[in-house]
Amino acid sequence: DAGVTQSPTHLIKTRGQQVTLRCSPISGHKSVSWYQQVLGQGPQFIFQYYEKEERGRGNFPDRFSARQFPNYSSELNVNALLLGDSALYLCASSSGTVNSLGYTFGSGTRLTVV
Amino acid sequence: AQSVTQLDSQVPVFEEAPVELRCNYSSSVSVYLFWYVQYPNQGLQLLLKYLSGSTLVESINGFEAEFNKSQTSFHLRKPSVHISDTAEYFCAVSDRAGSARQLTFGSGTQLTVLP
Repeated sequence: DAGVTQSPTHLIKTRGQQVTLRCSPISGHKSVSWYQQVLGQGPQFIFQYYEKEERGRGNFPDRFSARQFPNYSSELNVNALLLGDSALYLCASSSGTVNSLGYTFGSGTRLTVV
Repeated sequence: AQSVTQLDSQVPVFEEAPVELRCNYSSSVSVYLFWYVQYPNQGLQLLLKYLSGSTLVESINGFEAEFNKSQTSFHLRKPSVHISDTAEYFCAVSDRAGSARQLTFGSGTQLTVLP
């Protein structure tokens, strides 16, 4: 079975631009979460979606938005990019049950803002 | 609000020696606890988790962690490390309550196993 897949793996954007990151969860998983990992730090929670509804939002500005599609894939959008948005963006999926806690993470999208 | 403190940012250890990576958490509610491992240029892999029951949990590759509620700790241990254990290790917590299962991570511990 395929794991959590994220695209693209790397990209470079200029300050002020907009970016869309994509995530496909493990087949059958209905919960998708997004995390930002700045170099040298632990991941920070951005969003969680379950059954296409937002279930949680971290302490990130409104420039960050996300959505989940009927097939449970998800997109993370970041507008008006800042240099500080440079990070590894991780997507994680889960079936949503208690025993599935812990999530399966993708390999991430490395975003560099110049 | 929750927070996780990993007391050591870097831990060098010789091959076949024991190791302990320390993790303390702060939370006003009951939590679930996790350890993740991250190899260079990769995502996070779940190493082990404590949900309930026995406070000692084990992974398939020889790591174990013990939940200590009174000390709010979840230290990770391995009796004999291998070169292949070199990686970044993250401790994380999640609220037991509520529908959101967001993880709060520590800042990580880089384990370097020396030959």
